[in-house]
Amino acid sequence: GAGVSQTPSNKVTEKGKYVELRCDPISGHTALYWYRQSLGQGPEFLIYFQGTGAADDSGLPNDRFFAVRPEGSVSTLKIQRTERGDSAVYLCASSPSPGTSGIQETQYFGPGTRLLVL
Amino acid sequence: AQSVTQLGSHVSVSEGALVLLRCNYSSSVPPYLFWYVQYPNQGLQLLLKYTSAATLVKGINGFEAEFKKSETSFHLTKPSAHMSDAAEYFCAAAVNNDMRFGAGTRLTVKP
Repeated sequence: GAGVSQTPSNKVTEKGKYVELRCDPISGHTALYWYRQSLGQGPEFLIYFQGTGAADDSGLPNDRFFAVRPEGSVSTLKIQRTERGDSAVYLCASSPSPGTSGIQETQYFGPGTRLLVL
Repeated sequence: AQSVTQLGSHVSVSEGALVLLRCNYSSSVPPYLFWYVQYPNQGLQLLLKYTSAATLVKGINGFEAEFKKSETSFHLTKPSAHMSDAAEYFCAAAVNNDMRFGAGTRLTVKP
């Protein structure tokens, strides 16, 4: 009965390295979202999965960012060749199937992964 | 795409006083509107949402918000602030799976 979990809670890496951030959604939730929250800002949409497929990846800032959800449950956000500007809190959210109204369903957020790129 | 503006990055009220957090949106089509609260070191928690039903929406912890189309606003209110209300509050607008958040308002409650 746990909520959305994200690992690691904190990640420190060096510029140019590759990182993976993991999200475990609430069991049974078909929709999964990734957001990025920079200091002093609201969350910024990155990508949305419905099942295994990325229904909308228009928020990914560039091709260094990629996300997968191979079995329709756990998702991994992958960042290649990290840059200092990638430092932020990466939030994951899940929701039941949005049905015909899109994002109308409540999104349940995880605690986030705080990424620091040195 | 839609956008959200939260007036006032910091709001301070005394315990027992009215809480008013302002949110204005811009969208070419009617959006769904949300208020989320974020306590320190915790994830975002939904307070309430507007989905084109009643314009006055009641949420958890005594909060409510009123959708005013003519003013493109969705301000959050609570009649009497409690110390436990101190947190960061985010307004968001969603159209077709695209959710945009405001920059947030940090609420401080003074004893």
